[in-house]
Amino acid sequence: EDKVVQSPLSLVVHEGDTVTLNCSYEVTNFRSLLWYKQEKKAPTFLFMLTSSGIEKKSGRLSSILDKKELFSILNITATQTGDSAIYLCAVEIQGAQKLVFGQGTRLTINP
Amino acid sequence: GAVVSQHPSWVICKSGTSVKIECRSLDFQATTMFWYRQFPKQSLMLMATSNEGSKATYEQGVEKDKFLINHASLTLSTLTVTSAHPEDSSFYICSARGTSGFVGEQFFGPGTRLTVL
Repeated sequence: EDKVVQSPLSLVVHEGDTVTLNCSYEVTNFRSLLWYKQEKKAPTFLFMLTSSGIEKKSGRLSSILDKKELFSILNITATQTGDSAIYLCAVEIQGAQKLVFGQGTRLTINP
Repeated sequence: GAVVSQHPSWVICKSGTSVKIECRSLDFQATTMFWYRQFPKQSLMLMATSNEGSKATYEQGVEKDKFLINHASLTLSTLTVTSAHPEDSSFYICSARGTSGFVGEQFFGPGTRLTVL
């Protein structure tokens, strides 16, 4: 059974801190790994990763994939209260035309 | 950017009634639409994948007769929860993928919160 596991499930830090969110996966046929941010409603796309070792970066957010160890991390530096959200990791299954989501990490940034 | 809308954004209904949720891609043609449900503090669970003009593919454990999906056009898919019961109360989110998009490039709707009394 295809599985995506995120850790931690919940994280509370102070504004300005740096956080690292983890996502590990076990799937039959990996195509890509995606990160989403979900605030009150729909998830919004952050990154898609297909190759190992190549960092994707967008402002204070960055992510990298390790296809050998089957995990990805999402880093957020100099966190702000607006970064508070649920961060979802999903893996696209080759040929199945679908995403398998992890449980999400609920990140809370306190001022 | 690609926009996906859902209607209604929330609905409360009595047990035993049917509820229809619409998902529309507003500025692109969606060859594939996905329906998810999300329970409080849990992740998105894929219910079914629908391709325009063909029958939906349901995930294991999802009752196709209970959750009717119709993808009649390239911009509209509907999910009908038939004979709804309190355990069907959940947050239902649709997403849409364009003709050139990869599976991961799904654009999510704002979701519909269903409460069954």
